[in-house]
Amino acid sequence: GEKVEQHESTLSVREGDSAVINCTYTDTASSYFPWYKQEAGKSLHFVIDIRSNVDRKQSQRLIVLLDKKAKRFSLHITATQPEDSAIYFCAASIAGSSGNKLIFGIGTLLSVKP
Amino acid sequence: EAAVTQSPRSKVAVTGGKVTLSCHQTNNHDYMYWYRQDTGHGLRLIHYSYVADSTEKGDIPDGYKASRPSQENFSLILELASLSQTAVYFCASSIREGNTLYFGAGTRLSVL
Repeated sequence: GEKVEQHESTLSVREGDSAVINCTYTDTASSYFPWYKQEAGKSLHFVIDIRSNVDRKQSQRLIVLLDKKAKRFSLHITATQPEDSAIYFCAASIAGSSGNKLIFGIGTLLSVKP
Repeated sequence: EAAVTQSPRSKVAVTGGKVTLSCHQTNNHDYMYWYRQDTGHGLRLIHYSYVADSTEKGDIPDGYKASRPSQENFSLILELASLSQTAVYFCASSIREGNTLYFGAGTRLSVL
């Protein structure tokens, strides 16, 4: 079946540095790529997304890049802060017989050290 | 405030018992989903629904049933709970497919 691979299971950075999380997907038809954040002991909430008609999107300190040829997308967090510490999940839309659904990566635990 | 509310927040069940997890949303969204979260697997889709009285199988539907009696409510039913179903379960809603998911707080299920 179609998959989303999240390449970093853990990532540790110093406060103020940038963090990059990389994901790849298998479905050529995928067109929607959201990112979700899960803080310790809490639920997930949406942080940013990108659609296949663009290759870059920025929201404040978050940048998402999409390389459709390589079927790869990445989340860049600039000027990291301790509150950025969380698990980040990438996802990609997969076309199914009953419509599109999201397939998630396994998550990246980001630790931002002061 | 629009929200997705799950109940119970945690549950201990016995092997072979029946478990029902409930989800209620006030987002006025058509789509609702049940995911389970396990370490090393991320989130996996169990069942979803895009209209009341209809449910669809996700990627790992075996051992689970779903019920969508109204737009606001979506239940996940484990008829015969097994040890392998110990996990954290998340309900989510979205206005349509390919749009932002809004998650509930999660239900931690332990099957003993």
